[in-house]
Amino acid sequence: QKEVEQDPGPLSVPEGAIVSLNCTYSNSAFQYFMWYRQYSRKGPELLMYTYSSGNKEDGRFTAQVDKSSKYISLFIRDSQPSDSATYLCAMSVGNNRLAFGKGNQVVVIP
Amino acid sequence: DADVTQTPRNRITKTGKRIMLECSQTKGHDRMYWYRQDPGLGLRLIYYSFDVKDINKGEISDGYSVSRQAQAKFSLSLESAIPNQTALYFCATSPRDGDLYEQYFGPGTRLTVT
Repeated sequence: QKEVEQDPGPLSVPEGAIVSLNCTYSNSAFQYFMWYRQYSRKGPELLMYTYSSGNKEDGRFTAQVDKSSKYISLFIRDSQPSDSATYLCAMSVGNNRLAFGKGNQVVVIP
Repeated sequence: DADVTQTPRNRITKTGKRIMLECSQTKGHDRMYWYRQDPGLGLRLIYYSFDVKDINKGEISDGYSVSRQAQAKFSLSLESAIPNQTALYFCATSPRDGDLYEQYFGPGTRLTVT
């Protein structure tokens, strides 16, 4: 079983819809949970990070962590065509390495 | 100018050839990383370096080697390229005192081995 599981999609939604992405993980030692966004032909860029269980909001983005279920989510409200990208979840143990999910391609249709 | 640059951006090479991918950064970060990205497999860590004299293997280092020539430069070499090394390669950096998630990625090198 891979440490981090993420359904690669793709996911197509109409503009204005809520986008819901999620990852599951098997290593209960993971402490930090991140979401990276990757536009076509670009490197990933950090979108959000969380440390504890619960929700964290940043504008239209909400990251959710449920450590008891080993499940993290990213919600994008009022999605825009500019949100079309691949979203990767990532997790870390201590300060040594990141474990990435496969990435989920999102297309927001105008 | 980009903070993390990679050269070349695209490369096609033949099986058995030696190839070097280069990464330079102007962010002043001590830590540098090499990843490869494959469809359906996501990003996987090849090597990482926390300073000029520190080199560590990642999860898929077989067939690869690295050189940290300076704080700002980290090169990845394929001594004898094989087709299953066809992938998108990313270099990343992070600050010494920052958290691991604070990684900054370059634009990537698309490598094709025929």
